[in-house]
This record gives sequence, structure tokens and C-alpha cells, in this order.
Amino acid sequence: AQSVTQLGSHVSVSEGALVLLRCNYSSSVPPYLFWYVQYPNQGLQLLLKYTTGATLVKGINGFEAEFKKSETSFHLTKPSAHMSDAAEYFCAVSENSGYALNFGKGTSLLVTP
Amino acid sequence: KAGVTQTPRYLIKTRGQQVTLSCSPISGHRSVSWYQQTPGQGLQFLFEYFSETQRNKGNFPGRFSGRQFSNSRSEMNVSTLELGDSALYLCASSLDNTYYEQYFGPGTRLTVT
Repeated sequence: AQSVTQLGSHVSVSEGALVLLRCNYSSSVPPYLFWYVQYPNQGLQLLLKYTTGATLVKGINGFEAEFKKSETSFHLTKPSAHMSDAAEYFCAVSENSGYALNFGKGTSLLVTP
Repeated sequence: KAGVTQTPRYLIKTRGQQVTLSCSPISGHRSVSWYQQTPGQGLQFLFEYFSETQRNKGNFPGRFSGRQFSNSRSEMNVSTLELGDSALYLCASSLDNTYYEQYFGPGTRLTVT
């Protein structure tokens, strides 16, 4: 069975500071991993995904994530936070392409001036 | 290209009634998935359709059903509504079953009173 744990339901950073959102997964097979962002009253937007190949994945809006198999982690980072990054972030795992996404509980990112 | 559209955006129903939600995928996308989002349970997979066939189903009671039409548009139906069915229902579409890059709609906010 596949699952995702997001450490920290709320993360607060100062504008310009490093953003680090943690995600650990459990999967019996090589996983497909995703990060989505959700702004208030909107659907989810794909930030980045890992399927195969390079373990450092670059996404939109300056975000990136690194797949670490030995640590079963897929943490999301951004070097410098912007006020517009304030949103809910979800990590998700899928064991096969074309199958259901299992989401973590989400991390709410607050960016302070 | 137009994104995923969901109608209606907001809906208020009474316990015991039934409801039908609609989702129009991105043009050319053949896979449609449905998710329920609640504060307590987070994002949970309901079902996925591909070329009019239900390919995968989550752990929801039989009151939740769906279908997909030949033009890939999808509907989900919830019968005998319960208060706990109040949620944001998200629809996502993808081109096919490779790499599973899903695009989400804005959701339908269902309130059951």
C-alpha cells in the first residue's frame, strides 16, 4: 500500500527565506511522486513530478524537489519565498501511472513580510 | 486551451436528496478522476474513468457513482446525501495513462444541510 506523510501542517517563513516542505512516502514499488499547490477557493495545480530518471526535479515558480530513495523522501524547496507562495501544498504518490493519487494531509505555507 | 471545468461551483442540498456534479475535461484528455476534499479526511480518491470505463475506484460507499460519456465529459452522482458528504469535489483530467500528469478543475463545493 502507498501512503504519504507531510511533516508539519503549518509552516511559516519570512519573505526571502528558504522554503522547505517535508514529504515522506511509503510504497511497495518505485513510486511516482508529485507536489501540488492549492490557492484559496481553487483547484490543485501541479508544481512538479518525479517519475523516473534524474532525482532532482525542477518545477514551476522556482520550486524543486529531490527524490531520495534511501530516505523515502521527496521534500519540496524554494530558495527564496515570495508572498505569493502562501498556499496549501500537497504531496502525492502513485504506484502506477494512470492510477489514483494518494495525497498527504497538506502543509499550509504562511509567508510573512 | 480551456482548462477543466466543473459545474455547478456551489451547491446546497438537504440530507436525503441526491446530487449530480459535472466535469468537462481538457480537450483531448480521455481520463477523468474525481476526488473528495474535506478538512478532516483531506483529499480522497473516488474513482477514475478512461474511455467511458471505470478503471479504478476508491473506498467510498455505493451511494457514490459516476460515469463518463463518449466525449470524455464525466458526471458523479451521490444519492441519499448525508451531512458528512459536505465537501469540495474535485475533478481532474489527464491525456492518457502515462506519467499521470493530472489537471484539476476548481471544484464543486457541496453543502448538505
